[in-house]
Amino acid sequence: EPEVTQTPSHQVTQMGQEVILRCVPISNHLYFYWYRQILGQKVEFLVSFYNNEISEKSEIFDDQFSVERPDGSNFTLKIRSTKLEDSAMYFCASSEALGGLYTIYFGEGSWLTVV
Amino acid sequence: GQNIDQPTEMTATEGAIVQINCTYQTSGFNGLFWYQQHAGEAPTFLSYNVLDGLEEKGRFSSFLSRSKGYSYLLLKELQMKDSASYLCAVSREAAGNKLTFGGGTRVLVKP
Repeated sequence: EPEVTQTPSHQVTQMGQEVILRCVPISNHLYFYWYRQILGQKVEFLVSFYNNEISEKSEIFDDQFSVERPDGSNFTLKIRSTKLEDSAMYFCASSEALGGLYTIYFGEGSWLTVV
Repeated sequence: GQNIDQPTEMTATEGAIVQINCTYQTSGFNGLFWYQQHAGEAPTFLSYNVLDGLEEKGRFSSFLSRSKGYSYLLLKELQMKDSASYLCAVSREAAGNKLTFGGGTRVLVKP
């Protein structure tokens, strides 16, 4: 079964450093997302991406964050100048199309620890 | 804004049935999804409801009442491996398929 893959699975970084989290969405999917989950808290939407541009972003997704689709298969989340509170599991997700009938599939997550 | 409520924790016995309720308040409702999440892992899709009624998928069923802003996930013939968090998530029409998640219900299955 096709799946969303993410790298790295775990990254430890020093406060103030930049981090890039990588994702390969399911190949025929057109909509891509990043969500995050701080330990013990709910899954939170960060950003959605379609047709090479951001279609929606949450208030969490400020200037510190950016997304990119550098080629036909990868989708990246860049976090500049990381803060302690950025420590969380970051999930990439993708869906074939919009609408309630189209399931959003999640990757296994990248666990980011900022020290 | 959106409000999604589900119980924090439930305990049930192996072989039994458990029903996890979810209530929501949102505009432009587009669909309700249920995901299973084991600790430290990704949410895994279980079911979705767009129209009122019951959707059955093996041991799992999900029900939706749009007029009441209410859904439930029914887990039958519980197995130990069903111990996990169950996440209710709502999709909105104008929100590009963005999912807003509830806090999750942790289900503990005991022998």
